Amino acid sequence: DTGVSQDPRHKITKRGQNVTFRCDPISEHNRLYWYRQTLGQGPEFLTYFQNEAQLEKSRLLSDRFSAERPKGSFSTLEIQRTEQGDSAMYLCASSRDTSNQPQHFGDGTRLSIL
Amino acid sequence: GDSVTQMEGPVTLSEEAFLTINCTYTATGYPSLFWYVQYPGEGLQLLLKATKADDKGSNKGFEATYRKETTSFHLEKGSVQVSDSAVYFCALGYGGSQGNLIFGKGTKLSVKP
Repeated sequence: DTGVSQDPRHKITKRGQNVTFRCDPISEHNRLYWYRQTLGQGPEFLTYFQNEAQLEKSRLLSDRFSAERPKGSFSTLEIQRTEQGDSAMYLCASSRDTSNQPQHFGDGTRLSIL
Repeated sequence: GDSVTQMEGPVTLSEEAFLTINCTYTATGYPSLFWYVQYPGEGLQLLLKATKADDKGSNKGFEATYRKETTSFHLEKGSVQVSDSAVYFCALGYGGSQGNLIFGKGTKLSVKP
């Protein structure tokens, strides 16, 4: 498999702007996850999809955040009206939907808010 | 709620030293346990996993045993190499309809030649 791909690798933007990240999972994986990782911390779960259905959202996912997976393949994560506290690494992972399958992570998108 | 606690880093060892990174967990159910590794400039990679009590996960010389009685999943390696320098994350997850992983804060390991 080609692995989980995320784009862009780095994003620098001014506070108040909107940003969108893309994730392409491993092709045969039904599940897709988004996490956020800040410096010195482990990844924190944001949301996940089973095919095109968004099944779970963390309380970390404020109203400014929205995620989609329209055709059950790639996914986008949009942050509206970015704030300084949104600066983090945004990680995408995918897995098969059978029990105890490991999640495979992409290299992440690093977001910096000026 | 569920949580994972890892020993504080950084950990600095000489090549060929014995490694232990402690991980304990709090869980409401019966999760699977994982160790992920993040090498400099790279994404998270699954190192090993254990799905039930007393299972031992192993990979690349690393081992961890799922201990329900002590709620622990300590990572060990008998002889570390410089190439093992990385950040190690312990995590728990339930699979099924509860898809997300819960991670510890990570432990940075530096191995000196």
